[in-house]
Amino acid sequence: GAGVSQSPSNKVTEKGKDVELRCDPISGHTALYWYRQSLGQGLEFLIYFQGNSAPDKSGLPSDRFSAERTGGSVSTLTIQRTQQEDSAVYLCASSPGQGFQTFFGQGTRLTVV
Amino acid sequence: AQSVSQHNHHVILSEAASLELGCNYSYGGTVNLFWYVQYPGQHLQLLLKYFSGDPLVKGIKGFEAEFIKSKFSFNLRKPSVQWSDTAEYFCAPINTDKLIFGTGTRLQVFP
Repeated sequence: GAGVSQSPSNKVTEKGKDVELRCDPISGHTALYWYRQSLGQGLEFLIYFQGNSAPDKSGLPSDRFSAERTGGSVSTLTIQRTQQEDSAVYLCASSPGQGFQTFFGQGTRLTVV
Repeated sequence: AQSVSQHNHHVILSEAASLELGCNYSYGGTVNLFWYVQYPGQHLQLLLKYFSGDPLVKGIKGFEAEFIKSKFSFNLRKPSVQWSDTAEYFCAPINTDKLIFGTGTRLQVFP
């Protein structure tokens, strides 16, 4: 597609439920990022995929968070047993490679009630 | 570890005032530098970038930034802000690793 696409755009879930957030990066982009944006917290790095290398998971806040990237394209961020503090906007971004301009999706607004 | 610092968390200006937002990073070696902007209700978009060459780079909407290698800085400037510049601004340096953002600066411009 023309840009980075994320779905759903909004998600409301009950505390304790699992959620999956999807990201379709720009075709051909080898790098894919997930970030979390909370009020007053800026952009928090979560995980980074680069080509076929092992992902950099150093930003994941707990073992309830995980992400996969299938076939070097679509990525899914999974949050298990959601907590209220997980409420945030989750942003996906992709770029042609390391050091290049990164393009962002519109984000998924997650609300845990 | 790589890090980036934005010193101004919230800036309030009147239209036509000059703007400078600070950004310092702690990377070594070759660095590419970006400023991203997020207007209210919109997604992040690139404002300007520095890869090499002239350390004074021009971006969209009259913004510019100067890369000062000796100070590890990449400050964003605009001579005369407009109400439409109200947004959140993020500095993002990158070398050979992942793209990490500063905490962001919220700019409010009043008419």
